[in-house]
Amino acid sequence: GQQVMQIPQYQHVQEGEDFTTYCNSSTTLSNIQWYKQRPGGHPVFLIQLVKSGEVKKQKRLTFQFGEAKKNSSLHITATQTTDVGTYFCAGTNAGGTSYGKLTFGQGTILTVHP
Amino acid sequence: DGGITQSPKYLFRKEGQNVTLSCEQNLNHDAMYWYRQDPGQGLRLIYYSQIVNDFQKGDIAEGYSVSREKKESFPLTVTSAQKNPTAFYLCASSRSGNYNNEQFFGPGTRLTVL
Repeated sequence: GQQVMQIPQYQHVQEGEDFTTYCNSSTTLSNIQWYKQRPGGHPVFLIQLVKSGEVKKQKRLTFQFGEAKKNSSLHITATQTTDVGTYFCAGTNAGGTSYGKLTFGQGTILTVHP
Repeated sequence: DGGITQSPKYLFRKEGQNVTLSCEQNLNHDAMYWYRQDPGQGLRLIYYSQIVNDFQKGDIAEGYSVSREKKESFPLTVTSAQKNPTAFYLCASSRSGNYNNEQFFGPGTRLTVL
C-alpha cells in the first residue's frame, strides 16, 4: 500500500536557525497537505499543494511539491519558539480507489531553543 | 462556536472491556474520520465515513467498530478484540470526502487500558 515517509523524525534548532522537513511518497500523489500539532494539541491544517512543482509561502514557511508529485518539503526561515510542534505531511494516492483517504507521514518533531 | 468535540479527554478502562469514544461536529461536514496516534508514528486511519449511514475501513480497522446514524456524530467503539488499545484517538471531519478538502480535528481522547 501507499507509504509516506517523513524525515527527520526529530529536529532541534536554536531560535533564529532555519528548519526543513521532507516528505516522500512511494506512489504519485494527487495532493499533499501539511498539518501542525502543538505539544498536547491536535493537528491543524496549514496548507495544501496540488500542482506539480508548486511552491507556496505563508510568512516564514515555504512549502514545495515535487515535479513528480512524489515528494514535498516544508522550510521555516528563522525559527521562533512558537514554531515548536510536530509537522505532518499527508497525501492522497493519485488514481487510487481510496477516495479522500489521506496517508500521513510519521511527522517531524521540532524543538526550538531560545 | 463551530467545531468538533470529543469526549472524554482522558479515559481509563480495564482490559477486556469495550469502550465507546464520542465525536460530534457542528460544521455540517459530510465526511468524518477516526485516527489513532502512537508516539513516534503518524496518524493511522481506523475508519472513515463519507456520508450518513455509510462508512469504510481504514488501514487499522481490526478491533474497532463505528456507526454513522447522524451527520453530526461518528462514535468509535474500541472492542476487547483490539490487542493494543492504549493510544491517542483523534476524530476529524471535512466538508466532503473529496481528497482536496482539509480535515478539521477534534481535541482527541487519550485512552489507557489497564
